[in-house]
Amino acid sequence: QQQVKQSPQSLIVQKGGISIINCAYENTAFDYFPWYQQFPGKGPALLIAIRPDVSEKKEGRFTISFNKSAKQFSLHIMDSQPGDSATYFCAATPSGGYQKVTFGTGTKLQVIP
Amino acid sequence: ETGVTQSPTHLIKTRGQQVTLRCSSQSGHNTVSWYQQALGQGPQFIFQYYREEENGRGNFPPRFSGLQFPNYSSELNVNALELDDSALYLCASSGGQGLNEKLFFGSGTQLSVL
Repeated sequence: QQQVKQSPQSLIVQKGGISIINCAYENTAFDYFPWYQQFPGKGPALLIAIRPDVSEKKEGRFTISFNKSAKQFSLHIMDSQPGDSATYFCAATPSGGYQKVTFGTGTKLQVIP
Repeated sequence: ETGVTQSPTHLIKTRGQQVTLRCSSQSGHNTVSWYQQALGQGPQFIFQYYREEENGRGNFPPRFSGLQFPNYSSELNVNALELDDSALYLCASSGGQGLNEKLFFGSGTQLSVL
């Protein structure tokens, strides 16, 4: 059962362009929404995260947009660089108890010069 | 400050065998989680240990078990290996169980079951 749906599966963007990855969720108990970046041969690394009481969060070139009523959130990478080429996972964690992170299926981003 | 280290990096086993994977958490972290990442998929939560106690478990059968030691390092044990157990096994540590606690992942153990 996939609780966090992610699209697209793969994305090719030119250097300097904007990369956009979208995610949707059903479980209203989710209360924390991180994005992870994973390079080949490495574990995921936290990129940026948002709580549902905020509609947007920006850190450098990375921005999360969050729509609580639609249960959707997205990652925007501005001025995409070849070094951003990696797989990106959206994720969600419910409130209370332990930290069980539910990941999306991933988006493989390739930024071409 | 050392990061999360996992061993071994690669492992090949035969169906029906048992395997133990090891994880050293980041210095100062008392919480360890294990995830299974199949090829081309996102990681799936197996379980979490907090101060040597399992305090959360995902949808995995009992043949997946674990331990956390007093130094907060951890083991993942899988019995009666099946072909579908072939995956990258990731360990993540954090400074607590809180929602906002940042997870630090190791590079994983690639398990192949033949």
